[in-house]
Amino acid sequence: GQQLNQSPQSMFIQEGEDVSMNCTSSSIFNTWLWYKQDPGEGPVLLIALYKAGELTSNGRLTAQFGTTRKDSFLNISASIPSDVGIYFCAGQLPGNRDDKIIFGKGTRLHILP
Amino acid sequence: GAGVSQTPSNKVTEKGKYVELRCDPISGHTALYWYRQSLGQGPEFLIYFQGTGAADDSGLPNDRFFAVRPEGSVSTLKIQRTERGDSAVYLCASSALAGRTGELFFGEGSRLTVL
Repeated sequence: GQQLNQSPQSMFIQEGEDVSMNCTSSSIFNTWLWYKQDPGEGPVLLIALYKAGELTSNGRLTAQFGTTRKDSFLNISASIPSDVGIYFCAGQLPGNRDDKIIFGKGTRLHILP
Repeated sequence: GAGVSQTPSNKVTEKGKYVELRCDPISGHTALYWYRQSLGQGPEFLIYFQGTGAADDSGLPNDRFFAVRPEGSVSTLKIQRTERGDSAVYLCASSALAGRTGELFFGEGSRLTVL
């Protein structure tokens, strides 16, 4: 079936550093989404992207919908301790019945003390 | 309530038993999704409801899994003859904005352990 490939799988950074992660697919997506999951919680939507080439910011977060519609990236500037968690990309495929959303395997962000 | 509510939060059962997991979506949300999340993995799509009907059940792994949403609000995921491989966190999400796909609100999940 369709898969989303996220990289890197894990990141270990210092507080204050900028972070960049991305998501690719062999299939074209209509919608790209970025979620964050904290331990014991469900994922929470960070940014939604609906048009190829769209660049959207949410505070220190910036995400882009790739022009080929097969990739997306998420940047976090000036990381802080509460940024620790798992970041998932997700997308909706064109032509699917209704609104099936599939998720990548996640990028785990760790901040070194 | 204010958010998506899932019960039970934890369920331990024995292999072969029947299990029901309940999801109470945000009031007024017409779309409801079930996902399964294994350790170290992303959420795996199981089934999606629009109103009372299952719009897409292509993610259900086999016929031991079934979900209902009889009145278009609360949904129940039913697993028959549980197997150890069914152990995972089962996440429910709801959405109000049919035109803006992907804006899902998740519950905290039901952690299922099959011994």
